[in-house]
Amino acid sequence: QLQLQESGPGLVKPSETLSLTCTVSGGSISSSSYYWGWIRQPPGKGLEWIGSIYYSGSTYYNPSLKSRVTISVDTSKNQFSLKLSSVTAADTAVYYCANYGDYVDYWGQGTLVTVSS
Amino acid sequence: DIQMTQSPSSLSASVGDRVTITCRASQGISNSLAWYQQKPGKAPKLLLYAASRLESGVPSRFSGSGSGTDYTLTISSLQPEDFATYYCQQYYSTPTWTFGQGTKVEIK
Repeated sequence: QLQLQESGPGLVKPSETLSLTCTVSGGSISSSSYYWGWIRQPPGKGLEWIGSIYYSGSTYYNPSLKSRVTISVDTSKNQFSLKLSSVTAADTAVYYCANYGDYVDYWGQGTLVTVSS
Repeated sequence: DIQMTQSPSSLSASVGDRVTITCRASQGISNSLAWYQQKPGKAPKLLLYAASRLESGVPSRFSGSGSGTDYTLTISSLQPEDFATYYCQQYYSTPTWTFGQGTKVEIK
């Protein structure tokens, strides 16, 4: 049974870069043909897919965020990461990491990131 | 990009009611649709995939149907634990996805 856990700062200043890490346990991040990705949810709003990385290293991003997003994998630590640059208050959200094929099989518990000075 | 439009955005219903939520895709998605349930403060939970296949452990009062661009989630007899927000998600364009905007099911 896979378990995913997000970690990172809960408060980020406007114009700075949001950085989150997802630690995977119960399985190897490089051993299966699945996607590892990020989904966010602004307070009181719906779900937005941010992007994903395939176990082979290929990345895919939401076109609306593509210019600001980088997702990477550290197989030695069994982790994958999200970087979102030039953040504004609109980027305030709960950020979930996830493991999926076509639909999400495993979710992290989510972490709230607030963008504020 | 494939856009997903859910309706209604919210509804009020009583325990025992039959509830129907609709999701419309901007183009045909060949039953590549999942439904999730989300309760406050929790990650979403997968209910159905392939438009009508029930995830293991999900009660049989949940069902899905549809084809082409139009899909439906039905709860045959609403239970107290079903009050939550429901989202559809297309995976026709995997690995890029879109979610519907959600339907909040509230107690009447």
